[in-house]
Amino acid sequence: LAKTTQPISMDSYEGQEVNITCSHNNIATNDYITWYQQFPSQGPRFIIQGYKTKVTNEVASLFIPADRKSSTLSLPRVSLSDTAVYYCLVGAIAYSGAGSYQLTFGKGTKLSVIP
Amino acid sequence: GAVVSQHPSWVICKSGTSVKIECRSLDFQATTMFWYRQFPKQSLMLMATSNEGSKATYEQGVEKDKFLINHASLTLSTLTVTSAHPEDSSFYICSARRQGGTEAFFGQGTRLTVV
Repeated sequence: LAKTTQPISMDSYEGQEVNITCSHNNIATNDYITWYQQFPSQGPRFIIQGYKTKVTNEVASLFIPADRKSSTLSLPRVSLSDTAVYYCLVGAIAYSGAGSYQLTFGKGTKLSVIP
Repeated sequence: GAVVSQHPSWVICKSGTSVKIECRSLDFQATTMFWYRQFPKQSLMLMATSNEGSKATYEQGVEKDKFLINHASLTLSTLTVTSAHPEDSSFYICSARRQGGTEAFFGQGTRLTVV
């Protein structure tokens, strides 16, 4: 399983763009990169997933360089409600629906948004 | 999006008793479900992976006789904490992945307190 490394914490002011980078040097060919958000006493919430290049949805963008050894989650114009822990996960996909698709969590990045 | 529901959201039990936690995928069939445990201010720790109709695969250090996992249908997995002790008090979270899907969706978690 590819191990991930993220900054322990980050601070940002409201309205700013926040970029959280995750390192995954030993990512495998069939690994996807997924980011989750977790508020206290809640289960993680899916934010975005990608395999290569750039992925964008209504809440975030995910940038993945060609070597895929890192990825950057970009949150545009953060608000106080974005204060949470953000996890970067790397895991294989088993297209048959069975097998070893495991999601192992690292320590995550605690984002604090300041008014 | 896909919804995963856990029940109960919180439970208090006496030491020595057993507690069952249910995890349901409400609008999709989950061929694989995962159970995690999270202690305060720590990351999620994977306990076991279960595929529908087969025995769960437990992570190293997790007692399979203490944490019984059943994944009898494509929409339901249960975790039973047997002979619970105060040190089993934690936040238990399940996640589910649909057949052919790439994302895993998480339940809201269950806060277990053993007194």
